[in-house]
Formats: sequence, C-alpha cells, structure tokens
Amino acid sequence: DTGVSQDPRHKITKRGQNVTFRCDPISEHNRLYWYRQTLGQGPEFLTYFQNEAQLEKSRLLSDRFSAERPKGSFSTLEIQRTEQGDSAMYLCASSTGLSNTEAFFGQGTRLTVV
Amino acid sequence: GQQVMQIPQYQHVQEGEDFTTYCNSSTTLSNIQWYKQRPGGHPVFLIQLVKSGEVKKQKRLTFQFGEAKKNSSLHITATQTTDVGTYFCAGKRGSSNTGKLIFGQGTTLQVKP
Repeated sequence: DTGVSQDPRHKITKRGQNVTFRCDPISEHNRLYWYRQTLGQGPEFLTYFQNEAQLEKSRLLSDRFSAERPKGSFSTLEIQRTEQGDSAMYLCASSTGLSNTEAFFGQGTRLTVV
Repeated sequence: GQQVMQIPQYQHVQEGEDFTTYCNSSTTLSNIQWYKQRPGGHPVFLIQLVKSGEVKKQKRLTFQFGEAKKNSSLHITATQTTDVGTYFCAGKRGSSNTGKLIFGQGTTLQVKP
C-alpha cells in the first residue's frame, strides 16, 4: 500500500489523558499536513511540515497540541490533557513540495474523549 | 481570518437531475481545489483550478473558477447514485507555495434512485 497511513484508526480515551497519533506519508512526498474534522464540517488546518521543518501552525493548535516530524518521514501528533472538545477525526495528508499539487489524505484517526 | 463559505449545506436530488455547489472566499485565492468525501471515507482530490475564469470538465463534472479568483462552482450533470458524498472546495491564499488549504464546510449530496 503506497497511500498515506494513519495509526490508530480509532482511539477512545478518558479526559485528561495524553494521546499520540502517527502518520506515514507517501514516501516521496516531502510535505505533510495535519487537519481536524468534526461532524458536518470541512477539515480544519492544524499544521504542516516541509521535510522536518514545521512551517505553519494554526491558532487552533493550542499548547496542548504538538506535532513532530523528526526525520522528515513519519509524523506524530500528540494531544496532552485531552478534553471532550478534542473529539474529532484527525486527518493526515501529504503532497510533493511543488506548487499547485494535490494533497493525498489518510483514512484518519477518530478520537473520542469520554 | 480567511473564510471559505460553501452553499448549500445539503442537496437531495432525484437520479438524473443536475447538482451545483458554490464556494465563496472572503479573500483572493491563488488556486482552488475540490475534494469528494464518501460517507465514512476521507477526502479525495478531484481537481485544481489556478487561472482566473478557468473552466475544467471531468466527464459529467464541470468546475469553474471566478474571474476575481474569489469564487468557484462544481456542477454535476445527470447525477448518479455513485455521486453521493460530500463535496469540499479548498483554497490557497497568498503564495501558491503555501501548504495551507482552507476548506469550505462542504455540500452533502444525496441522490435518490
């Protein structure tokens, strides 16, 4: 499978716990994006990387959220002290670094905070 | 901040009828992309428009980018049940090399056979 892979697909956690999600992009893609999607809404931009550099972060990404892409390949998104409002689908996407190219999305990680 | 608005939110059509969704941005976009998300699935890229006034067709789908590069539309002719899903527009502003896509809220299409 050469698509974008996300793990886990589903995560249920108790409020206050920390969670970490992983994304493996398409291998030749040097851009990686994280989005969050809630029911009935479009994906909301969280952050993106060009190789290992985090180039842009949304104001939605509070200090409880952190993303890394240490070797410019896979990425992790960590949420600390989860809140019920963090419940959403977390989507990862990747693309080449060229202008005007499409983003390829993974299947997402659905987070439920109880 | 920049917003991308999409209407309508929902559309129910009889199979064979046409369907159109409209996308409007509060600021000029460098380009606009369209994605389709099936129920329970993830967004899948359909097309990208870059030039002012650009029109592109994919079989029964026609995509248009406005002259001011602030609005776009997707028109489906003679809908089929396979067209069911949510259609999102997503715009890039400023430098086209930015990675940030701003998505609209989506239009969910239901097609009655």
